[in-house]
Amino acid sequence: QVQLVQSGADVKKPGASVKVSCKASGYPFTTNYIHWVRQAPGQGLEWVGVISPGGGGTTYAHKFQDRVILTRDTSTSTVYMELTSLRSEDTAVYYCARGLDAIFLDYWGQGTLVTVSS
Amino acid sequence: EIVLTQSPATLSLSPGERATLSCRASQSVSSYLAWYQQKPGQAPRLLIYNASDRATGIPARFSGSGSGTDFTLTISSLEPEDFAVYYCQVRTNWPRITFGQGTRLEIK
Repeated sequence: QVQLVQSGADVKKPGASVKVSCKASGYPFTTNYIHWVRQAPGQGLEWVGVISPGGGGTTYAHKFQDRVILTRDTSTSTVYMELTSLRSEDTAVYYCARGLDAIFLDYWGQGTLVTVSS
Repeated sequence: EIVLTQSPATLSLSPGERATLSCRASQSVSSYLAWYQQKPGQAPRLLIYNASDRATGIPARFSGSGSGTDFTLTISSLEPEDFAVYYCQVRTNWPRITFGQGTRLEIK
């Protein structure tokens, strides 16, 4: 069965960087885009960016263009999201999700809570 | 930039009633719209994609309709497990996507 398993919760200080992993299984890794979505406490869903595991191409939300880097490791079927220059407003649960027809999200990871606090 | 507006913000209904949730786009998105359900502490779950296609394993009481700028998610007869937050989502400039602000469906 399709599974996306994310790394555990993390606490960072303002100005630091965080790297979250998302390991895919149960399907051919390179056939579906992987999106990243975040959700601040008590808030709605916010799209961060997307990576094509096959070619490695990326597209980011304009808001995060200068601070987010998506990468993938095809040998381990893992996608990574790195967010730099963290501020308190980046405190959120970060989800990875598989793209259906590239733009719909049919399987989701369990979420990773990133807390930014001094 | 496409903006999605969901209404109402909160909907209070009883089990067995029919729920109608709305999502309006600021410009036409054809049928590139999805609906998700999210329960507290859980990841969202895909319900509907391409405006009206049910995702795998989704009960038939969930249906989607609409095209262009106006879309509706209908739950024909509410079950206790259906009370949750619902989000619509569209494609903007492929493969970018955006979400609506959500509708909270609560027990009356």
